[in-house]
Amino acid sequence: NAGVTQTPKFQVLKTGQSMTLQCAQDMNHNSMYWYRQDPGMGLRLIYYSASEGTTDKGEVPNGYNVSRLNKREFSLRLESAAPSQTSVYFCASSARTGNTEAFFGQGTRLTVV
Amino acid sequence: AQSVTQLGSHVSVSEGALVLLRCNYSSSVPPYLFWYVQYPNQGLQLLLKYTSAATLVKGINGFEAEFKKSETSFHLTKPSAHMSDAAEYFCAVSDLNTGGFKTIFGAGTRLFVKA
Repeated sequence: NAGVTQTPKFQVLKTGQSMTLQCAQDMNHNSMYWYRQDPGMGLRLIYYSASEGTTDKGEVPNGYNVSRLNKREFSLRLESAAPSQTSVYFCASSARTGNTEAFFGQGTRLTVV
Repeated sequence: AQSVTQLGSHVSVSEGALVLLRCNYSSSVPPYLFWYVQYPNQGLQLLLKYTSAATLVKGINGFEAEFKKSETSFHLTKPSAHMSDAAEYFCAVSDLNTGGFKTIFGAGTRLFVKA
């Protein structure tokens, strides 16, 4: 079982470039999430989608946009990358929000130079 | 607003010793609480969760956590540490906010296990 698949695994961008991180889940989950992980700060929620057709801001949405393309896919876009966006990005999904377990992808390590 | 505080960014124990990782939360409504573990270069995986059914929650790999409402705590314990427990552990809280549930993570505690 694939679970949650993120692409790419590694990426280096120049300041000002744009890119889209892709995420797909095969567990028929309703809810999907994007987090960033920085040393000493844990995981911070960027955006989430409680169900297909809805998206909401998390703790740190500035500089990012998301698209819930369908029930399986939830992409994260950086329109104009900045060095402060250097981080490890995790996509996750859960059957629904609230009291259910989140399943995480392997992460995307992004460096902005 | 909900928040999670994990006391101690690093904890070191000897193999066979008690593991205690501390987590305090802030929530205006009854929360759902989780502990996740992250091994190097991997995503997070669930250890256990509290959803109000029982205050003492047992998880995988011999870990358990106790929900104490009066102390707003959800500390993670394991009676005897194993080398394979070395990892980073995250406490998380999810509660109902305007617009729905959000799950917020603590900063993490890295557990070192000495032989």
